Amino acid sequence: GAVVSQHPSRVICKSGTSVKIECRSLDFQATTMFWYRQFPKQSLMLMATSNEGSKATYEQGVEKDKFLINHASLTLSTLTVTSAHPEDSSFYICSAERGGGELFFGEGSRLTVL
Amino acid sequence: AQTVTQSQPEMSVQEAETVTLSCTYDTSESDYYLFWYKQPPSRQMILVIRQEAYKQQNATENRFSVNFQKAAKSFSLKISDSQLGDAAMYFCATSRLLTGTASKLTFGTGTRLQVTL
Repeated sequence: GAVVSQHPSRVICKSGTSVKIECRSLDFQATTMFWYRQFPKQSLMLMATSNEGSKATYEQGVEKDKFLINHASLTLSTLTVTSAHPEDSSFYICSAERGGGELFFGEGSRLTVL
Repeated sequence: AQTVTQSQPEMSVQEAETVTLSCTYDTSESDYYLFWYKQPPSRQMILVIRQEAYKQQNATENRFSVNFQKAAKSFSLKISDSQLGDAAMYFCATSRLLTGTASKLTFGTGTRLQVTL
């Protein structure tokens, strides 16, 4: 099956620093990728839709200046958490669409901001 | 707008037995997909089963089957012959069905399934 890879799987950073998370579709091209956030014991909340070659579409309430998304190629989208604070600590998951509504998820990235 | 409701925060089943997880949804779309995803302790989301709303026949995947009641907006998951590896968080989800357009998923709050010996 298709594989979507996220990196890093775990990251710890100091408050005020920026962290970049990568999402790669390894064996298919994805014009659209999605970024989700999941708090402990809660559901996945869509943050934004990442479109190759154009600006990301953010969900209501998500700060676009804080969560920078870049989809520079058909196989890579990045999420940068800028000036991270402890409340940004969460599990971030990406997914990529291969087509026909078929979505594949990455392994997730756990961010801890000290 | 789409909403998904899972009313069972936790369920338990004995190994080899059958369990049914409930899901109801609401959508204004005429065409849509419904999904069940499994999230094991590793946290990676795994697709269990998918149903196109325009198909009347219930989807099945080996030990997993759904009971899709479109009029009632109900989409339950039945797991037969439960195995220890089935223990996970299960999320029901729905997305719009638009040709050539990416599908945004709306998830329910999840049901944690325990499998006991």
